[in-house]
Amino acid sequence: QVQLVESGGGLVKPGGSLRLSCAASGFTFSDYYMSWIRQAPGKGLEWLSYVSTSGSYTNYADSVKGRFTISRDNAENSLYLQMNNLRAEDTAVYYCARPIRGLILPHLDWGQGTLVTVSS
Amino acid sequence: EIVMTQSPATLSVSPGERATLSCRASQSVNSNLAWYQQKPGQAPRLLIYDASTRATGIPARFSGSGSGTEFTLTISSLQPEDFAVYYCQHSHNWPPYTFGQGTKLEIK
Repeated sequence: QVQLVESGGGLVKPGGSLRLSCAASGFTFSDYYMSWIRQAPGKGLEWLSYVSTSGSYTNYADSVKGRFTISRDNAENSLYLQMNNLRAEDTAVYYCARPIRGLILPHLDWGQGTLVTVSS
Repeated sequence: EIVMTQSPATLSVSPGERATLSCRASQSVNSNLAWYQQKPGQAPRLLIYDASTRATGIPARFSGSGSGTEFTLTISSLQPEDFAVYYCQHSHNWPPYTFGQGTKLEIK
């Protein structure tokens, strides 16, 4: 069955960096666009970024453009989110998600999320 | 950026009754609209995509309708497990693929 397992979250100081990973299994990872979505504590969902099947095409929400970088390693069945210059408002649970095949959205399968806390 | 607005923020309905949730887009998104359900401590679950297509395994009591800027999620007969927060999200043309702020469906 499809599994998405995020890791790499934790406590980081403002201005710091963190790299999130999403390990995928149960499907042909290289056939799917992949996305990151986040949810601040007690708040709604925010789409952040997607990456194409090859990794050649990416897109970002304005709130993270220039600070976050999405990437993937199809040989390792892994998705990444490099987060730099972190701010308090980046505190959230970060989810990776797989869409319906052939599409960018909607987000069909989700990981369990990893919590990122930005605080001094 | 397309703004998605959901109403009401909270909806109180009794089990067995019908629930109707609304989502409005600030500009037309055609039928590029999905609905998700999220329970406390869990990741969201896809219910409906393309405005009216149920995702695999979603019970028939969930239905979606609408196009353009006005969308509705209807739950025909509420079951205890349906009380949750519901989000809409557009996937029209280009990003950002914004979500609505959510509707909390609570037991009356």
